[in-house]
Amino acid sequence: GQSLEQPSEVTAVEGAIVQINCTYQTSGFYGLSWYQQHDGGAPTFLSYNALDGLEETGRFSSFLSRSDSYGYLLLQELQMKDSASYFCAVSLYGGATNKLIFGTGTLLAVQP
Amino acid sequence: DTEVTQTPKHLVMGMTNKKSLKCEQHMGHRAMYWYKQKAKKPPELMFVYSYEKLSINESVPSRFSPECPNSSLLNLHLHALQPEDSALYLCASSQDEGGYYEQYFGPGTRLTVT
Repeated sequence: GQSLEQPSEVTAVEGAIVQINCTYQTSGFYGLSWYQQHDGGAPTFLSYNALDGLEETGRFSSFLSRSDSYGYLLLQELQMKDSASYFCAVSLYGGATNKLIFGTGTLLAVQP
Repeated sequence: DTEVTQTPKHLVMGMTNKKSLKCEQHMGHRAMYWYKQKAKKPPELMFVYSYEKLSINESVPSRFSPECPNSSLLNLHLHALQPEDSALYLCASSQDEGGYYEQYFGPGTRLTVT
C-alpha cells in the first residue's frame, strides 16, 4: 500500500517562510505534487516534482528526494491568504490512466 | 476556461432516496474523477473515467453508481446511502494523455444523509 505522512498543523507569521514536509512509503510513482485547499473550497494545484530536486513557482517551491522518500513544500513571504490545508500527493499509474493518492494534509495557520 | 462545475452545491437526502450529482468540464480533458472527502481528511479516490470508460473503481459500494454520458459530463448516482456517506464529493478532470497532468477540481457537493 501507499502512505504519505504530513504534520497535521503548522503555524507561522505573515512574511515568514514555512516548510511543510511529506514523507512517503510507496513504490513506483510518476512524481510528487502539492495541492492547496481553502476551507470549503476545491483543491488547487500548486507544484509538481517529477525528478529529484527543487522546483520553484513564485513564492512556492517544492522539493523531492526519492532516495530519502521525502519531499517538502516551501512557502515564502507568507500572506494571510495562504492559511489553508496543503496536501502532498503521489501520481500512480492506475491502468489506463493515472491516479492521485493524497497525503494526510497539513493545516497552515498564518498569523498577523 | 479552466473550470469544473458541480451541481448541486449542497444536498440533503434520506436513506431511501435516489439522487444524482453532476459534474461538467469544457477543457477537453479526457480523464474525469470522483473523490470523497470527509472533514479534515484528504480526498479519497472513488472512480476514474478515461475516454468515457470506467477505468478505476476503488472498491466503492454499489450504492454509488458513476456514469459518463459524454466527454464533458460525469454523474454520480446515489441510492440507499448511509449516514456515514455524508461528505464532500469532489469531481476533477485532467488531460491524461500519458504521464502526469495536474487535476482540476470542482467546488464539490456537500452531501448530508439523514
